Amino acid sequence: DTAVSQTPKYLVTQMGNDKSIKCEQNLGHDTMYWYKQDSKKFLKIMFSYNNKELIINETVPNRFSPKSPDKAHLNLHINSLELGDSAVYFCASSPLRGGEQFFGPGTRLTVL
Amino acid sequence: AQKVTQAQTEISVVEKEDVTLDCVYETRDTTYYLFWYKQPPSGELVFLIRRNSFDEQNEISGRYSWNFQKSTSSFNFTITASQVVDSAVYFCALLPYNTNAGKSTFGDGTTLTVKP
Repeated sequence: DTAVSQTPKYLVTQMGNDKSIKCEQNLGHDTMYWYKQDSKKFLKIMFSYNNKELIINETVPNRFSPKSPDKAHLNLHINSLELGDSAVYFCASSPLRGGEQFFGPGTRLTVL
Repeated sequence: AQKVTQAQTEISVVEKEDVTLDCVYETRDTTYYLFWYKQPPSGELVFLIRRNSFDEQNEISGRYSWNFQKSTSSFNFTITASQVVDSAVYFCALLPYNTNAGKSTFGDGTTLTVKP
């Protein structure tokens, strides 16, 4: 059973398009995250949700909008895609306090 | 503000050598957690270990061992008798205890290459 799943695994699109990435976890965790990993492998947190409530919103362009319909899902919608958005996006989940994070397999986004 | 520094960007060793990956952190919190994650070439991120700041016992798991020293704010990771399958990017991360949702700070990662 997959603990944290993301779809799609690969996403290739043109500049200016709008796209979404979906994430689901079946671990019963309270907290979910979105991370961006750039070509140099640097991992940066973008958003964190706790029980569907936005907790962390790092300095991310407002073209990025997370949505959490329930505790088990955290989707990422990106408007007006730009070349610099090309990266691998990881979803993760963890228990409320101090828990290790379980990561999804990543979504490789390529903007042409 | 918190910060995690992994000064070694890349390390290359020959199989069976021991290798230590350094992690130094900065935080004003008195209670926190430290983690190591592994990212093999296949790309997934895998949790390796969590350590609480109030527990300075070192830990060994097979060929892996971790040395936590609060006095020097370091949480180093040693692989004994390295193998080719250990080749990966390794991330150290810090999480304050007093937070409603874990805002982990990750280091920039150390790329380990183990050659046969």
